[in-house]
Formats: sequence, structure tokens, C-alpha cells
Amino acid sequence: AQSVTQPDIHITVSEGASLELRCNYSYGATPYLFWYVQSPGQGLQLLLKYFSGDTLVQGIKGFEAEFKRSQSSFNLRKPSVHWSDAAEYFCAVGVTDDMRFGAGTRLTVKP
Amino acid sequence: DADVTQTPRNRITKTGKRIMLECSQTKGHDRMYWYRQDPGLGLRLIYYSFDVKDINKGEISDGYSVSRQAQAKFSLSLESAIPNQTALYFCATEGRGGDTGELFFGEGSRLTVL
Repeated sequence: AQSVTQPDIHITVSEGASLELRCNYSYGATPYLFWYVQSPGQGLQLLLKYFSGDTLVQGIKGFEAEFKRSQSSFNLRKPSVHWSDAAEYFCAVGVTDDMRFGAGTRLTVKP
Repeated sequence: DADVTQTPRNRITKTGKRIMLECSQTKGHDRMYWYRQDPGLGLRLIYYSFDVKDINKGEISDGYSVSRQAQAKFSLSLESAIPNQTALYFCATEGRGGDTGELFFGEGSRLTVL
């Protein structure tokens, strides 16, 4: 069965610093991979997704993610974090009637 | 106004009570989902519906039921609430034909069962 692991429960970075959030997955076939963001008191919003093709995927708000099949990873990156990026980030794998979400990584941004 | 609206946003109830969480959407999407979010566990799928006549169980359907009253409305019921159903519940939609993978979420309904 598919599963998703986000090893970091909480990450703190300074504003302007780079960010990488880790995601490892287990899936029996070519995975569909997603990153969602949840701002406080809000629902989740899709940042980016990978179905096939170029393994470096660009998303909204300046985020990107890289699919590495050999490492079963789909890490999320941003070169320069803004205070408004403080939120919880969820990696997900699968199709929508069987999508598995990771436990989430909470991002705190220091001034 | 939000495209996916959940009511109530917050609810406190007692063990054994029947609770209904409602979801309505203006996106015109056929597919609707109910998820539960617990700290440290992420989101887990409770039920989903691909159209008005289609209802399917998700990963954790025990103790829950749903009703798809119309394309735009999908309700989640807890027939007899118990404390371990205390959680944040999300409704989500997805457009047909694409298996796009993009879910559009409501703002959530926080349920506390005492």
C-alpha cells in the first residue's frame, strides 16, 4: 500500500533563507505526487504536482519540487522564504480516490 | 464567497449525539470528498462520491455515513458520536475528467466530542 513520510514535524527558518521540506513515499507504480499548503484556519491549497515528464516541477508562490525515483523522494524547495510562507505543508501520493497524505511539516519563519 | 463551504465551522457535542457536517460547492465539480485531519496523522479519506448516485468508502469509514443530496451538496453524518471522532473535518472537490489530482478544500469543520 502507498504511504508518505515527512521526516520533519517542525522546521524553523529565517526570512530570506532557503527552504527544503523532505518527502519520501512508497508506491507500487509510477506515483502521482503532490504538495499542499495549509495556512492557519484554512483548507489545503495545491502548491504543485508531478504526474510524469520533467522531474523538476514548478509551482505557485515560488515553490518547486524534484522527483527522484531512485530515492523515492519528492522534496519541496524555495530559494528565499517569506514570512507569509509560515504554514503547514503536506506531501501526498496517489490518485484522488486513494490519496495518502503525510503527517505534515509545520514551517515557522523567523524575522 | 468560498467555492467550497462547510457548516458548521466549529461544533462541540456530547458522546452519543448525532451530528451532521454539511458541504456545498459552487465549482460545478462532480467529485466530492470528506477527509479527517488529526495531528501527526495528516489527512485520511472517509468517504467520496463521483456523482449523485455514487458513494464509496474511504480508508476510515467506520462510524460515519454520507449523503450526496445534489451535485453541489455532500453531507457527513456521525450517527452516535464518540470522543475519538474529535478532529478537523475537510470537504474537498475535484473536477471530472482529468483525475487532475487537484483537490479544492473547504475551510474545515472542527468537531469536539465530549
